[in-house]
Amino acid sequence: ETGVTQTPRHLVMGMTNKKSLKCEQHLGHNAMYWYKQSAKKPLELMFVYSLEERVENNSVPSRFSPECPNSSHLFLHLHTLQPEDSALYLCASSQGALAGGGSGTQYFGPGTRLTVL
Amino acid sequence: SQKIEQNSEALNIQEGKTATLTCNYTNYSPAYLQWYRQDPGRGPVFLLLIRENEKEKRKERLKVTFDTTLKQSLFHITASQPADSATYLCALQNSGGYQKVTFGTGTKLQVIP
Repeated sequence: ETGVTQTPRHLVMGMTNKKSLKCEQHLGHNAMYWYKQSAKKPLELMFVYSLEERVENNSVPSRFSPECPNSSHLFLHLHTLQPEDSALYLCASSQGALAGGGSGTQYFGPGTRLTVL
Repeated sequence: SQKIEQNSEALNIQEGKTATLTCNYTNYSPAYLQWYRQDPGRGPVFLLLIRENEKEKRKERLKVTFDTTLKQSLFHITASQPADSATYLCALQNSGGYQKVTFGTGTKLQVIP
């Protein structure tokens, strides 16, 4: 195991539902990331939190709302999603901060397979 | 715009042979280049990192080369085994800031017994 856990592993939701994805890292890292992975597409970076501050929001629709209450936990709140949002959502952490340091190597969780009906 | 291309979507190779995967990039000056392995339904797992001032890096049966003039990295698996079958992702990383990593689409390697 990589030291990054994600729950749930699978999620099926309707377009009007509200749900949250949870990520926890046990590696003492100071940066956490959300990625979206769709078939035949590269990993798409969605959000980055460094030292608990959001430092990147890659033009992600507002129906995705991240939350980082502390350096070990990251959430992705979902509401009124569309079928095209169905994908594997991956959380990652790294020892990388705005002040520099660390190689930025990403440690990924197992992902949440999301299906929007 | 920045672009990362991995040579082919899929690569089939006979067990025991050396698998060579290619990563080319444009409009990018990475400080580091990384390779990851991803198995179906799982998150990518870090394998190797090579710095811009390094030409080659080895780890057991794995070897990575990095040519910043050609803007290319080669990833070799020697004495390949069926257990090496997976998708391999190339990733570029800048320096400074929070070290944003950009991934390629990956090459799916199938090692045939």
